[in-house]
Amino acid sequence: QSVLSQPPSTSGTPGQRVTISCSGSDSNIGTNIVNWYQQLPGTAPKLLIYDNYQRPSGVPDRFSGSKSGTSASLAISGLQSEDEADYYCAAWDGSLRSHLFGTGTKVSVL
Amino acid sequence: EVQLVESGGNLVKPGGFLRLSCAASGFTFSRYWMTWVRQAPGKGLEWVANIKEDGSEKYYVDSVKGRFTIFRDNADNSLFLRMTSLRVEDTAIYYCARDYRGWLEYWGQGTLVTVTS
Repeated sequence: QSVLSQPPSTSGTPGQRVTISCSGSDSNIGTNIVNWYQQLPGTAPKLLIYDNYQRPSGVPDRFSGSKSGTSASLAISGLQSEDEADYYCAAWDGSLRSHLFGTGTKVSVL
Repeated sequence: EVQLVESGGNLVKPGGFLRLSCAASGFTFSRYWMTWVRQAPGKGLEWVANIKEDGSEKYYVDSVKGRFTIFRDNADNSLFLRMTSLRVEDTAIYYCARDYRGWLEYWGQGTLVTVTS
């Protein structure tokens, strides 16, 4: 089964801006919406960004999403210690008739 | 308040079977697609299956096709995953999630399935 590619890890100091890329193909990101999930250590995932750039109620506007072609990005500005987590992109794949998750990116706050 | 509570996870031998359950509350269950997602120890998320509001459409990841069956009981606000011919690589925490227009809005806390001889 195909996956969406993300960098394994990224890091930043408090207050910095970090970005996470998510690379897919025409059959998934190229034609369908991208969502992002945050998983804090030892907890269930939580919806962070939906429909490419929308934030659910309660998600700080420090988190932003974008999409272009077959890639998407998640940006965290004003990085905070509580942002240390794993982040996953996700999209439906029309060819596979399956939902795909990204490989996941661990964000560390130095 | 939306709540999803999974149960049924257990230790099972390869080739065995399990049925996972997800009890939903706080919303009109019959109006939403529902999804199972799993996470092997120390690994990333893997979408397993989803099911339409009325159960008429179901989709599965290739690795579980023919072995797992997703189904639901709207009268009882419950989602299920019947797992047969279990393999060591099915070992994971299994989460149920409410699926709205392609995004997973709410997640349960998960239930652990361990397949080992």
